[in-house]
Amino acid sequence: KQEVTQIPAALSVPEGENLVLNCSFTDSAIYNLQWFRQDPGKGLTSLLLIQSSQREQTSGRLNASLDKSSGRSTLYIAASQPGDSATYLCAVSSHNQGGKLIFGQGTELSVKP
Amino acid sequence: DAGVTQSPTHLIKTRGQQVTLRCSPKSGHDTVSWYQQALGQGPQFIFQYYEEEERQRGNFPDRFSGHQFPNYSSELNVNALLLGDSALYLCASSLVGEQFFGPGTRLTVL
Repeated sequence: KQEVTQIPAALSVPEGENLVLNCSFTDSAIYNLQWFRQDPGKGLTSLLLIQSSQREQTSGRLNASLDKSSGRSTLYIAASQPGDSATYLCAVSSHNQGGKLIFGQGTELSVKP
Repeated sequence: DAGVTQSPTHLIKTRGQQVTLRCSPKSGHDTVSWYQQALGQGPQFIFQYYEEEERQRGNFPDRFSGHQFPNYSSELNVNALLLGDSALYLCASSLVGEQFFGPGTRLTVL
């Protein structure tokens, strides 16, 4: 059974700092991995999608990496801003489970001015 | 492109009642998935619809049912509501791979 874990559960950093959010999964047979952002009480915004054959994806100040063999992904945020404050969720989709996404519990990020 | 839309935004029901939530997928998407997100938790997969059929189902009781229409929009029905059904219900649509989420429906059961 696939399980997804995100560490840390919460993180507070000063503005301008570079930071890394971690995601681990127990079954390496994944189809893809997505990182999402969720503002309080809102829906999920897709940030990056990494296919199982890829090692990383970049979008602006965000870079996500994937190491299937070790069951790990990281989301790197460069030069953090107060507007980056949100909960960040990672989710995996496995070959044998169709499009079903299995989520971690998220990392709540607070960027202080 | 309006993206994924959901209605209503908020809903308050009492125990034992029934509720219907609605979702319109992103233009061109043919697959709709529903998730339940309790406060402080990651979303949990309820079920997925493709070509008007339930393709996959998560670990939710039969009180949770759904439907997909020919225009790919979808409904989530929950019968005999329990206090524990209070949550944010999220709809996601996809064509291949990447899933896009709607703003959610906040259901409160009193």
